[in-house]
Amino acid sequence: DTAVSQTPKYLVTQMGNDKSIKCEQNLGHDTMYWYKQDSKKFLKIMFSYNNKELIINETVPNRFSPKSPDKAHLNLHINSLELGDSAVYFCASSQATAGEQYFGPGTRLTVT
Amino acid sequence: AQKITQTQPGMFVQEKEAVTLDCTYDTSDPSYGLFWYKQPSSGEMIFLIYQGSYDQQNATEGRYSLNFQKARKSANLVISASQLGDSAMYFCAMRENSNSGYALNFGKGTSLLVTP
Repeated sequence: DTAVSQTPKYLVTQMGNDKSIKCEQNLGHDTMYWYKQDSKKFLKIMFSYNNKELIINETVPNRFSPKSPDKAHLNLHINSLELGDSAVYFCASSQATAGEQYFGPGTRLTVT
Repeated sequence: AQKITQTQPGMFVQEKEAVTLDCTYDTSDPSYGLFWYKQPSSGEMIFLIYQGSYDQQNATEGRYSLNFQKARKSANLVISASQLGDSAMYFCAMRENSNSGYALNFGKGTSLLVTP
């Protein structure tokens, strides 16, 4: 069974479009995250949710809007996509007070 | 300021040899956690090992061990008996426990190539 899953795995779209990435975890964790990995492989936190409540919102353009309908799901909606949004987006989850974060397989977003 | 520094962009090691990947960190939080992740060419992020700031002993997981030197603020990953499948990017990361979001700060990574 996949612990953290993301859909889609690949997303190719044109500038100006709106798209969503979905994430689900079946680990019973209470904290979920979105990370962005840029073309130089650098990983940076975007958002953190604990028990469906937004905890961290790094300096991310407000075109990015996370939504957590329940503890097992954290979706990422992106409006008015720009070329610079091209990256790999990773969802992750953890127990807030425990150790490791488990990552999803990533979604490679390409904006043309 | 960069909280996690990995000074080795690329490393080579021969199969069956041991290799050390360097990581230094910067924090004033007394409670923190240090992590290493592996990212093979297929792209997934694989958790390898964790060290808590209050742990007295260095963490070990199979062929992976973490050389934790708190005073030096270093958390080097040691891979023993390297295998060809160890070729990948390796990321060091830190979670500061005063940060209620529990997010990880990542280093820029080290690309490891294991040669036959």
